[in-house]
Amino acid sequence: EAGVTQFPSHSVIEKGQTVTLRCDPISGHDNLYWYRRVMGKEIKFLLHFVKESKQDESGMPNNRFLAERTGGTYSTLKVQPAELEDSGVYFCASTARGLGYNEQFFGPGTRLTVL
Amino acid sequence: LAKTTQPISMDSYEGQEVNITCSHNNIATNDYITWYQQFPSQGPRFIIQGYKTKVTNEVASLFIPADRKSSTLSLPRVSLSDTAVYYCLVGVNDYKLSFGAGTTVTVRA
Repeated sequence: EAGVTQFPSHSVIEKGQTVTLRCDPISGHDNLYWYRRVMGKEIKFLLHFVKESKQDESGMPNNRFLAERTGGTYSTLKVQPAELEDSGVYFCASTARGLGYNEQFFGPGTRLTVL
Repeated sequence: LAKTTQPISMDSYEGQEVNITCSHNNIATNDYITWYQQFPSQGPRFIIQGYKTKVTNEVASLFIPADRKSSTLSLPRVSLSDTAVYYCLVGVNDYKLSFGAGTTVTVRA
């Protein structure tokens, strides 16, 4: 069974540009999460989808970040416009209902560098 | 969420047992203790979860004393491939996983 995949693995953009990160969860997993680690900091929760609905987006840093999950399958995280402090690694995770929320399956992450 | 405290780093040699202790003095009655492992350039990976006493799986053992204010992750006979960051998390069905700094375990030949 394929794990959580993320694309791209790396992205280097200029300040002010737009970047879209994609996450494909494990097939059948209703719950999808985004996390990020900015330089020197800890991994922080960004938001949680159940199917196509946003359950909690309290961790989203500001309105330059937009997450979508149309159709309840893959998700995208758009940063527009990107700022220097957005550099870091963005992780996506998924889990099935009833599995136990403490066990999430993470993707390898997308390393974003904003110059 | 209960705050956790764990050592920043630990060194070990191949074949040894590694024990990482995590303190969580403010753990709530319904909280579970969960450990994740993260290799360089990968996302965190669930290792083990427990509520009390001892839990063992094919990867590790988790020891939790009666007062549950701490827990110890035990990695038996480590190899070079066990070099990773290990995170202790405390919460109940907490979809907002809260990762601290973790413990960097370095296994040497």
